[in-house]
Amino acid sequence: SQQGEEDPQALSIQEGENATMNCSYKTSINNLQWYRQNSGRGLVHLILIRSNEREKHSGRLRVTLDTSKKSSSLLITASRAADTASYFCATAGYGQNFVFGPGTRLSVLP
Amino acid sequence: DSGVTQTPKHLITATGQRVTLRCSPRSGDLSVYWYQQSLDQGLQFLIQYYNGEERAKGNILERFSAQQFPDLHSELNLSSLELGDSALYFCASSANIDTTGELFFGEGSRLTVL
Repeated sequence: SQQGEEDPQALSIQEGENATMNCSYKTSINNLQWYRQNSGRGLVHLILIRSNEREKHSGRLRVTLDTSKKSSSLLITASRAADTASYFCATAGYGQNFVFGPGTRLSVLP
Repeated sequence: DSGVTQTPKHLITATGQRVTLRCSPRSGDLSVYWYQQSLDQGLQFLIQYYNGEERAKGNILERFSAQQFPDLHSELNLSSLELGDSALYFCASSANIDTTGELFFGEGSRLTVL
């Protein structure tokens, strides 16, 4: 079964609003990463958060990690039309390989 | 630009045929990963190589094989192709042998099997 599961599957917001997507996983992890994929393109790494970290920021991105709940959230503030993409979480367990969730499709409407 | 190069970008072939997908990793990266992305299966890990050696295997079919050459480029060979093999195939590279670092993805090879 999938290690990481994003929620919601799809999200539609207006430009300027914040977008929040969540990722839940099942087993212990070394780190959790978020990637963005524009339609039909390669995935682009956004941010990596290690298991001993609780929050990280990168520009308009804020990622939190709650290892007790086995969940992470990605917040994109002040969304732009260019943020329209699919967002994936990837979990990396100890001694295991990356496992990607099914993704959240974000649409930012102008 | 991730620095990872994949060729060809698009490939259309018939069932039963064999194709080879090629990947050049980012300069200096020793790890190469192959992923398959289809609409109903999401992003599936196929195989990882590190410095020429197979490091980890995922859901790779027996009809598929891969290798990493001394110059670190990698090839994914898909044979006896079936309709269900139609997908985007991604190569990703990493500086690390394990999962402690980020992956850099190529733009993918879109395979259509008719």
